[in-house]
Amino acid sequence: SAVISQKPSRDICQRGTSLTIQCQVDSQVTMMFWYRQQPGQSLTLIATANQGSEATYESGFVIDKFPISRPNLTFSTLTVSNMSPEDSSIYLCSLQESNTEAFFGQGTRLTVV
Amino acid sequence: AQKVTQVQTEISVVEKEDVTLDCVYETRDTTYYLFWYKQPPSGELVFLIRRNSFDEQNEISGRYSWNFQKSTSSFNFTITASQVVDSAVYFCALSQAGAGANNLFFGTGTRLTVIP
Repeated sequence: SAVISQKPSRDICQRGTSLTIQCQVDSQVTMMFWYRQQPGQSLTLIATANQGSEATYESGFVIDKFPISRPNLTFSTLTVSNMSPEDSSIYLCSLQESNTEAFFGQGTRLTVV
Repeated sequence: AQKVTQVQTEISVVEKEDVTLDCVYETRDTTYYLFWYKQPPSGELVFLIRRNSFDEQNEISGRYSWNFQKSTSSFNFTITASQVVDSAVYFCALSQAGAGANNLFFGTGTRLTVIP
């Protein structure tokens, strides 16, 4: 089973700043997924990060706000740009190979003040 | 389109009671996967089960059991003899099957509180 290391685990940030969240996987995976979980809500897919191409964003999410990097098959970052209090959420990275469970990072609990 | 519905937003039970968490899904895919995850207060997602749409056998794992009814598009989760440590938010999720990786569509979750 894959292990995903996500950091930071939590952060408190000032509005208007940016935070980059990192996910490292212990094996090579083609696609990684980034989710957002707003307080008391379910998980919503932000984007799919494919190595070697630009990320694919879901409706309501844009690259300028949530730029994603995928420099190799074991690593990805999500940046939350120009943050506002509405961005306070848990952000999770994930991967799912076709015949396995979906693996999740430990999550990043972001508070914007 | 994929959709997962968990109508129970919050459930409270007294310790040692049994509790069933409901999950109903919608999909046009003929093959798909269904999942249950537990999210304790710490926030991480704990994998509980993955079920392939071809496999309608019910499954039991310790105090946990799952009832997959394809005819009613339901995948319900029962905890027997609940314990305080079972208190968490439980998510049901759905993904496409087939080659490659696919993201999950999550229900809105059910917050379970087990009262000692």
